[in-house]
Amino acid sequence: QVQLQQWGAGLLKPSETLSLTCGVYGASFSGYYWSWIRQPPGKGLEWIGETNGIGNTNYNPSLQSRISISVDTSQNHFSLKLNSVNAADTAVYYCACHAGNTYGPYDFWGQGTLVTVSS
Amino acid sequence: EIVMTQSPATLSVSPGERATLSCRASQSVSSHLAWYQHKPGQAPRLLIYGASTRVTGTPARFSGSGSGTEFTLTISSLQSEDFAVYYCQHYNNWPPWTFGQGTKVEIK
Repeated sequence: QVQLQQWGAGLLKPSETLSLTCGVYGASFSGYYWSWIRQPPGKGLEWIGETNGIGNTNYNPSLQSRISISVDTSQNHFSLKLNSVNAADTAVYYCACHAGNTYGPYDFWGQGTLVTVSS
Repeated sequence: EIVMTQSPATLSVSPGERATLSCRASQSVSSHLAWYQHKPGQAPRLLIYGASTRVTGTPARFSGSGSGTEFTLTISSLQSEDFAVYYCQHYNNWPPWTFGQGTKVEIK
């Protein structure tokens, strides 16, 4: 059973960089897609992006210029960086993964991290 | 980008009654459609994928149907633990993957 445990700063000022990490337990990195999804307050889920860690990385076009998702297999975690945050980036951020070598739904999720952007 | 539209936004149902949730895609997603249950303070939980395949552990009262652009999630007899927000999500062909805006199932 895959378990995801996420951590990172929860309060940022406008223009700072959001940095979140998701620890992976119970799985190797091959054969999965590793993803980030967020939920702004009172709104629905928004897909941020995903990577399979071996060269296939996709980002939401609306965020593409500001985001980076990377995998560190030596540390068994993957990370999200979002540059130049503003109030609209305030959300609960979830890491998630899909087991498989092709695209698919998210079988496992982290617990979520509330990130607030405020001056 | 494929737009996923869910209806209704809120569904008021009494325990034991049937709930029918709809999800429409702006273009065909074949059967590459998932349903999630989301409760406050928890991570979303995958219930159904491939439009109609229940994940191990999803109760049999949950059923999914549809293909192409029209999909339905049916909860045959609502239990107290089923009151939540439900999202559909497509994963057809190529990202970005998109979610519907959600249907809140509340106690009538």
